[in-house]
Amino acid sequence: QQQVKQSPQSLIVQKGGISIINCAYENTAFDYFPWYQQFPGKGPALLIAIRPDVSEKKEGRFTISFNKSAKQFSLHIMDSQPGDSATYFCAATNTGRRALTFGSGTRLQVQP
Amino acid sequence: GAVVSQHPSRVICKSGTSVKIECRSLDFQATTMFWYRQFPKQSLMLMATSNEGSKATYEQGVEKDKFLINHASLTLSTLTVTSAHPEDSSFYICSAREDRWGNQPQHFGDGTRLSIL
Repeated sequence: QQQVKQSPQSLIVQKGGISIINCAYENTAFDYFPWYQQFPGKGPALLIAIRPDVSEKKEGRFTISFNKSAKQFSLHIMDSQPGDSATYFCAATNTGRRALTFGSGTRLQVQP
Repeated sequence: GAVVSQHPSRVICKSGTSVKIECRSLDFQATTMFWYRQFPKQSLMLMATSNEGSKATYEQGVEKDKFLINHASLTLSTLTVTSAHPEDSSFYICSAREDRWGNQPQHFGDGTRLSIL
C-alpha cells in the first residue's frame, strides 16, 4: 500500500513541447504529493507539491494535476527546455509518517 | 530557502573501513532527518528515520548494526557505514524538514557517493 507507481520510465520531448509524467498511488492516507527533479550526482530538488484538497497547482511552467478519486497525479512541464533534462520523481507521504515514498523515476530528455 | 548540507560528497575507501557521512540543516532546525540510498538509475529507498535525542527507526531489511545513525543535535545527523564492503557502494542522500511549520517539504542534501574497493 506504500507503493507509488510512476510512468513512463523515460521520455524524449522536443524543445518547446509538453512533458507529461504520471503517478498512481494506493494508500488513501497519503495527503502530500511532491515532485522532485534530480540531476546526475546531485540530490533531489523540490519542484512543486500538491495536497488532495485541490485538483491543480501551477508554478511557472510546472503544473500538477491531481485526481483524488482515481488516486492519480501528474506533472506537466510546459515549453520544455533542454535544461529540464533530468530525472523526475513523484513522491507521496502522509503527515503522520513524514518520510517520502518515491516513484521509480522518469528520465526526461529535451532535444534542442 | 532551507539548505541541507551533506559531507563528504564522495568517498573511496578499502573494504573493511568504516565511513561517516554528515548531514546538516544549515538554516533551520530539524528534529527528524531521513537517510535514503539510491543505486544507479534507480529510485530513492528510505533506509532510516533519524530522531534527535532518540534511537533511529530503521526500515525493514536495513541492518541497524551496519548503518549506525546518530542525531545528536537539531541540525546534525550522521550515518556511519561500519566495516563497509563493495556491496555497500551506493549514493547516500539525507533529507530534513523544518520543524516550525507542519506542512513544510523535505529538503535534500547533494548526496554522498560511496565507493568501496
